[in-house]
Amino acid sequence: KQEVTQIPAALSVPEGENLVLNCSFTDSAIYNLQWFRQDPGKGLTSLLLIQSSQREQTSGRLNASLDKSSGRSTLYIAASQPGDSATYLCAVRGGSNYKLTFGKGTLLTVNP
Amino acid sequence: SAVISQKPSRDICQRGTSLTIQCQVDSQVTMMFWYRQQPGQSLTLIATANQGSEATYESGFVIDKFPISRPNLTFSTLTVSNMSPEDSSIYLCSGGTGGDEQYFGPGTRLTVT
Repeated sequence: KQEVTQIPAALSVPEGENLVLNCSFTDSAIYNLQWFRQDPGKGLTSLLLIQSSQREQTSGRLNASLDKSSGRSTLYIAASQPGDSATYLCAVRGGSNYKLTFGKGTLLTVNP
Repeated sequence: SAVISQKPSRDICQRGTSLTIQCQVDSQVTMMFWYRQQPGQSLTLIATANQGSEATYESGFVIDKFPISRPNLTFSTLTVSNMSPEDSSIYLCSGGTGGDEQYFGPGTRLTVT
């Protein structure tokens, strides 16, 4: 059974700092990995999708990497802003099905 | 990408009643799913909504409690039946095509009193 762990559970940083969020998964037989953002009381916004054959994806100030063999992914946020404050969720899709398994998320607070 | 809407956005219901949540996608998607997010927890998959046939439920979820319909490729409903306070959660609909990105609706925040 796939298990996804996100570290840290919470992170507070001053505005402008670069930061890294970590995600690990137990079964390396994944189809892809997706990072989401969730604002309080809201749904999920897809940030980046990395296919199992890819090593990284970039979108603006966000960069996600994937090391499938070691079961790890990182989300790098450059020059953080207060608007980046949210919960960031990592989810993996299994190789044999299309279901997503989610981590518990990292609650990010960027202080002005 | 796909834009997913859900109705209602929130509701407060009494114990023992049922609530049906609607999910509409603005384009045809192969897969549709229903997730539950309990307070302070991450998302748990309830079931895969299959077009024109019975949904596929995950362990711990049963059709009698969470009946699901999907009459076409862009619409699905989830009913939470005979509700108890433990059913208070955010219910999210998602959709995607094959191995592509999965998109989520804004969620339905349910409180059972």
